[in-house]
Amino acid sequence: DAGVTQSPTHLIKTRGQQVTLRCSPKSGHDTVSWYQQALGQGPQFIFQYYEEEERQRGNFPDRFSGHQFPNYSSELNVNALLLGDSALYLCASSLGQGANEQYFGPGTRLTVT
Amino acid sequence: GQQVMQIPQYQHVQEGEDFTTYCNSSTTLSNIQWYKQRPGGHPVFLIQLVKSGEVKKQKRLTFQFGEAKKNSSLHITATQTTDVGTYFCGWNTDKLIFGTGTRLQVFP
Repeated sequence: DAGVTQSPTHLIKTRGQQVTLRCSPKSGHDTVSWYQQALGQGPQFIFQYYEEEERQRGNFPDRFSGHQFPNYSSELNVNALLLGDSALYLCASSLGQGANEQYFGPGTRLTVT
Repeated sequence: GQQVMQIPQYQHVQEGEDFTTYCNSSTTLSNIQWYKQRPGGHPVFLIQLVKSGEVKKQKRLTFQFGEAKKNSSLHITATQTTDVGTYFCGWNTDKLIFGTGTRLQVFP
């Protein structure tokens, strides 16, 4: 039974570029949430997708957008990258809408130079 | 807005000593979750507390939810080096709001 998987593991981008991160949820889960974790900080909620729609959103600008596919996998897109976007991006899956028990993936480490 | 603060920020203990982290909210929490994140790893769900005054145990870990549902604690008895990591509380409001975390270091 595969857990949550994310790709890529690491990524280096330049300011102003765009990036797409991918997440496959744990088998049987239908909800995907995305978090940003800066070094030494707790994860910050970006948004949650359920039934292919954004259901909840944290305090992040519109440069952060996402998508959920019919197979429940999800993408996080960040446009016009800033240096401050450098962080670990975590995907978490769960069953049902809301913040039920979250299963986290290993994350994607994004570095913006 | 509502904040969930954790204290202490850091805790260094000798192996075998006990450890406690506290999570405090400015307002009443509907429920609270606890996660552990090992260095270089990702958060791993430990438990969810829902009821006022609830106490749950997992081996050496004891979790409590305050009577007023504004605070919670995680206590580890007789720490081991495998307990090293950052412990986060998370407030469930249809989205998970993480506390500031407590980093635990255990010296053998």
